[in-house]
Amino acid sequence: QKEVEQNSGPLSVPEGAIASLNCTYSDRVSQSFFWYRQYSGKSPELIMSIYSNGDKEDGRFTAQLNKASQYVSLLIRDSQPSDSATYLCAVNMGLIYNQGGKLIFGQGTELSVKP
Amino acid sequence: DTEVTQTPKHLVMGMTNKKSLKCEQHMGHRAMYWYKQKAKKPPELMFVYSYEKLSINESVPSRFSPECPNSSLLNLHLHALQPEDSALYLCASSHPEEGRKYFGPGTRLLVL
Repeated sequence: QKEVEQNSGPLSVPEGAIASLNCTYSDRVSQSFFWYRQYSGKSPELIMSIYSNGDKEDGRFTAQLNKASQYVSLLIRDSQPSDSATYLCAVNMGLIYNQGGKLIFGQGTELSVKP
Repeated sequence: DTEVTQTPKHLVMGMTNKKSLKCEQHMGHRAMYWYKQKAKKPPELMFVYSYEKLSINESVPSRFSPECPNSSLLNLHLHALQPEDSALYLCASSHPEEGRKYFGPGTRLLVL
């Protein structure tokens, strides 16, 4: 079992629809979870972080965390063509105090928003 | 300043060359990271520095040699690389006690 797993995609949604991206992780003690967006040829950009169970909303983005199910999701409302990118789920594992920790990425889901 | 910078943007080197990648941040972060990303794959952790000391080495071959000369700078020295080492090399930084990591734009490396 991979440490962080995502739907491989590609995921295609029409403009204005809700895009739903899912992620599961294997390390039960992980405490911090992130979604990065990566445009082709660019570096990952942090778009959401979530640390406690429930929902966290930021503009058109909502991250959801369920630690009991070891599940993280990202909803993008009113999807725009500019949202077309690869979305990487990342889990910080083994965060030892003051030693930075290991950010482990899922394989990424490629999202395409069609006009 | 909320930026991580990396130089050079692109690098082409032969298998016998020695080169260095540089990374700089001025966010006061005391943890810095090197990641390697191949096409269509996620970033893979190589090294972690915390308070200028190497804290994690993910069994990276010795032809990659990291260095953290001060709290703002991180280098990756390259020697005798192989063509399969061609990739995007990403630097990131964070507060050591936090999970959020901020990435630089990367150096795209081609080994011939």
